[in-house]
Amino acid sequence: QVQMVQSGPEVKKPGSSVKVSCKASADIFSSYMIIWVRQAPGQGLEYMGRISPISGTANSPQKFQGRVTITADKFTSTAYLDMSDLRSDDTAVYFCARIRSSYGMDVWGQGTSVIVSS
Amino acid sequence: SYELKQPPSVSVSPGQTARITCSGDALPNQYSYWYQQKPGQAPKLMIYQDSARPSGIPERFSGSSSGTTVTLTITGVQAEDEADYYCQSADTSYTYVFGSGTKVTVL
Repeated sequence: QVQMVQSGPEVKKPGSSVKVSCKASADIFSSYMIIWVRQAPGQGLEYMGRISPISGTANSPQKFQGRVTITADKFTSTAYLDMSDLRSDDTAVYFCARIRSSYGMDVWGQGTSVIVSS
Repeated sequence: SYELKQPPSVSVSPGQTARITCSGDALPNQYSYWYQQKPGQAPKLMIYQDSARPSGIPERFSGSSSGTTVTLTITGVQAEDEADYYCQSADTSYTYVFGSGTKVTVL
């Protein structure tokens, strides 16, 4: 069964870092890109970046460059979102999903809650 | 930065037709996608490549495109269709972007 399973909830202090994981089935890593999306409380979806697990090539919108690192371990079929210098407005649910060119984000992780609070 | 604009809300009676629009300058040159999200759940892909339906998505959901506007149509709305709906596309540098979201209320 196709699945993407994310790590558990996190509570972090402002200025700290968080690393969220997303474990996918092996066939996803060989054929799809992995993207990260976040959703602040009561707000819409915000695209954070993507990675090709096979090549390791990752990119993010300019808003997140320098603060977000997206990586993938093809041996464990796990993608990671690493975010530094956390602020209160980074409080959100973070989702991973698979995407294949022109076919949309068709399988999603369950989401990981990250709360940033002093 | 590039934006996709959606109406904040749409209200519709059961059995009627709901239409949700999404406008963006790059839409004539980029595919659009539609996602349904219910409270506490991950988004669910409803439409890809402007008008294609993934396996398992009811036929009452359809997508269309005209110029800089794409539309998700729900024909014969059911109570279970009450949710938030997001369009998604890409800008000219192929950075993905989501619309602001539309809350569909079934009266």
